[in-house]
Amino acid sequence: GAGVSQSPRYKVAKRGQDVALRCDPISGHVSLFWYQQALGQGPEFLTYFQNEAQLDKSGLPSDRFFAERPEGSVSTLKIQRTQQEDSAVYLCASSRLTGSSGHYEQYFGPGTRLTVT
Amino acid sequence: AQTVTQSQPEMSVQEAETVTLSCTYDTSESDYYLFWYKQPPSRQMILVIRQEAYKQQNATENRFSVNFQKAAKSFSLKISDSQLGDAAMYFCAYWRGSNYKLTFGKGTLLTVNP
Repeated sequence: GAGVSQSPRYKVAKRGQDVALRCDPISGHVSLFWYQQALGQGPEFLTYFQNEAQLDKSGLPSDRFFAERPEGSVSTLKIQRTQQEDSAVYLCASSRLTGSSGHYEQYFGPGTRLTVT
Repeated sequence: AQTVTQSQPEMSVQEAETVTLSCTYDTSESDYYLFWYKQPPSRQMILVIRQEAYKQQNATENRFSVNFQKAAKSFSLKISDSQLGDAAMYFCAYWRGSNYKLTFGKGTLLTVNP
């Protein structure tokens, strides 16, 4: 596709509900990232995939957060038993490069704004 | 751990004037990249400019330029001839390839006054 897409763009969940957020990266991009952006803050890293392998999940705030990318393209971020502190914008980004050589750029999607009531 | 600090929560500039946004960072690495990203209201984040730490020459992209001071760990963004479309949240970000993730500052909200 032309860019990174995310769905839904907005999600309202009642506390305790499970939610699933989808990310479609740019076609052919090997690397995929999830970030959480709280209101008035910069994005914070959640997890990273290289193809289907989840190489880093150190940023996931709790075991209620789970991410997958089973076929190395589309990714889903799942949050179980949502809490009010989960309210944030969830950003997905993809990158063509896999290593540290050369210049580097992550392309971001528009984000999913999650509100937990 | 690397940290990125943007000390100016908000800045304003008159249209056609020049503004400088500040950023400092902390790292023990010698090889890394620094970025400025722009996030317009309700729109997605886009890359404005990048700087490789091993390059002494400051990066420039049209009206955008940086002042990279490696020893001082400072990386400021200068916007010349400011336009209304420059109004956005600007984030400074650090990247060290070995751990892949971007580390962002808290952002500076830039207002451009007509």
